[in-house]
Amino acid sequence: AQKITQTQPGMFVQEKEAVTLDCTYDTSDPSYGLFWYKQPSSGEMIFLIYQGSYDQQNATEGRYSLNFQKARKSANLVISASQLGDSAMYFCAMREVNTGGFKTIFGAGTRLFVKA
Amino acid sequence: NAGVTQTPKFQVLKTGQSMTLQCAQDMNHNSMYWYRQDPGMGLRLIYYSASEGTTDKGEVPNGYNVSRLNKREFSLRLESAAPSQTSVYFCASSEARNNYGYTFGSGTRLTVV
Repeated sequence: AQKITQTQPGMFVQEKEAVTLDCTYDTSDPSYGLFWYKQPSSGEMIFLIYQGSYDQQNATEGRYSLNFQKARKSANLVISASQLGDSAMYFCAMREVNTGGFKTIFGAGTRLFVKA
Repeated sequence: NAGVTQTPKFQVLKTGQSMTLQCAQDMNHNSMYWYRQDPGMGLRLIYYSASEGTTDKGEVPNGYNVSRLNKREFSLRLESAAPSQTSVYFCASSEARNNYGYTFGSGTRLTVV
């Protein structure tokens, strides 16, 4: 069964430093997609980054990069040069292409606090 | 672009009352979804519609019904609200060209007393 685990309920980082948010997943489908979403205190959900299971390179989007380690089934989000506006809840998510249909499952989330 | 529009943003219901949450998207996406968000549990899928004319149950469908009215609109109905349905509800849409990454509505905060 597909599963997403985020083991860090909360994280603190100093402004301008880099931070890694952990995500591990479990699936038997060889074809899947991994996503990260951001939820600021205002409540909306914002798509950040996507990694396909067959992608050879780690995905990057501006200050966001996804450290994809397929053998370890991990998909950690790295935020470089943290800003105060990065304080938010972050969710890791996965979609199984062959067995999951159109469904995406989410982890419980990590709350990031950026300190000035 | 409006993206995904959800109404209402807030709602308080009494136990046993019914209501419908409305969702519309203007991105011509085929797939639409309803999730609920509870503290410490991430987002859980209630129902989804892979394409116009189809709907399927997700992880937590009990107590809910959905209607895919047309390609743009996907509504969620609570027939007899229960306190356990107090949650934040999100509608989302996706498309293959975006790897099925979601565009979310702004959410509905529902309280059942």
